[in-house]
Amino acid sequence: DAKTTQPPSMDCAEGRAANLPCNHSTISGNEYVYWYRQIHSQGPQYIIHGLKNNETNEMASLIITEDRKSSTLILPHATLRDTAVYYCIVRVPTEILTGGGNKLTFGTGTQLKVEL
Amino acid sequence: GAVVSQHPSRVICKSGTSVKIECRSLDFQATTMFWYRQFPKQSLMLMATSNEGSKATYEQGVEKDKFLINHASLTLSTLTVTSAHPEDSSFYICSGDRGTYGYTFGSGTRLTVV
Repeated sequence: DAKTTQPPSMDCAEGRAANLPCNHSTISGNEYVYWYRQIHSQGPQYIIHGLKNNETNEMASLIITEDRKSSTLILPHATLRDTAVYYCIVRVPTEILTGGGNKLTFGTGTQLKVEL
Repeated sequence: GAVVSQHPSRVICKSGTSVKIECRSLDFQATTMFWYRQFPKQSLMLMATSNEGSKATYEQGVEKDKFLINHASLTLSTLTVTSAHPEDSSFYICSGDRGTYGYTFGSGTRLTVV
């Protein structure tokens, strides 16, 4: 998996948009960008993923730059419950990669603190 | 959405005993499951990859005889911590591989060895 770089921490006011950046300058052509978050003492939760195009779901939006070297996760209206560590990961999906299961390697992530 | 059920959520055991942690994929078949360990204020560290019907692959530095992994079916993988010691106290998390949709994680097991 290519390495990613994220700021160690960010603060956001409740109700405002939280924009979490991620650099993945060595991403290869068949690697997807995935975002997960981990609320304290729970297993990580899938948020969103994308390859080239911007993506949106009920949780967040993912903006990927045209050169794919960086991306931004946007939580449009952050709430206190969004306080968590957010992980940006790049990987090749298993069905594309030959040879079996493709392990997911976690970096240090960004600790997002949403405050009143 | 896809669910991975992990049990127990918390366990306290005496030093020298063994503890088994179960992970079940409830609504998808997980040919591959991954086991992670997380110490306080640290990121998740991959311990091993378990493939249904074959031997697990362990990451460097993880003792395969201490952390026994069994993946006997497409919906069940188990991790047994044998002869547990206080330094094995940690948060253990499993995940199932859902291909393009990434991984679905269990809720984690907090192991405390006293």
